[in-house]
Amino acid sequence: AQKVTQAQTEISVVEKEDVTLDCVYETRDTTYYLFWYKQPPSGELVFLIRRNSFDEQNEISGRYSWNFQKSTSSFNFTITASQVVDSAVYFCALQTDSWGKFQFGAGTQVVVTP
Amino acid sequence: DVKVTQSSRYLVKRTGEKVFLECVQDMDHENMFWYRQDPGLGLRLIYFSYDVKMKEKGDIPEGYSVSREKKERFSLILESASTNQTSMYLCASSLLPQGATTDTQYFGPGTRLTVL
Repeated sequence: AQKVTQAQTEISVVEKEDVTLDCVYETRDTTYYLFWYKQPPSGELVFLIRRNSFDEQNEISGRYSWNFQKSTSSFNFTITASQVVDSAVYFCALQTDSWGKFQFGAGTQVVVTP
Repeated sequence: DVKVTQSSRYLVKRTGEKVFLECVQDMDHENMFWYRQDPGLGLRLIYFSYDVKMKEKGDIPEGYSVSREKKERFSLILESASTNQTSMYLCASSLLPQGATTDTQYFGPGTRLTVL
């Protein structure tokens, strides 16, 4: 069975602080894909990143960075120098099957205050 | 840019009513999905469709049905709405080209349904 755990329900930070969101997944498949989405207050999920199970390179995109470690089945997301616009719910998702179905984590609410 | 639209942002219905939620995508995507989002539970898959007139149950299909008569449109139907179906409903689509094993899902803005 596939499972994604985001243990942090809510994280509150002050602007310019760094924040790391944890994502732990479970799967027996050797080929799988991991995603992060952002859901701002407007409601629409916005795609942030996709990573396949054979690519363990960390990635940086502006203030966002991702750390993928197969050894610990984790795909963590860090926002550096957070801004108020980063306030949102962030979802981690796992995709393993050929239909492209996702298994989502419960989400982490990030609150950035000025 | 991929555009996924949903017919309503907010909807209020009464118990027992038949409810239709419509989703349209403009990128000729093969796959379409319906999720519901509840606090602490994340997104849970209700149904998905990989082609016109084709549908598959997701994790929580009970109380719902779907219809896909045209490639761009995927409808979620609540045959007899109940209060426990009060939730945020999100539609998504993905291309998943033949032979591909993954593709990003693109989401609509969501419909917040309240059943009284």
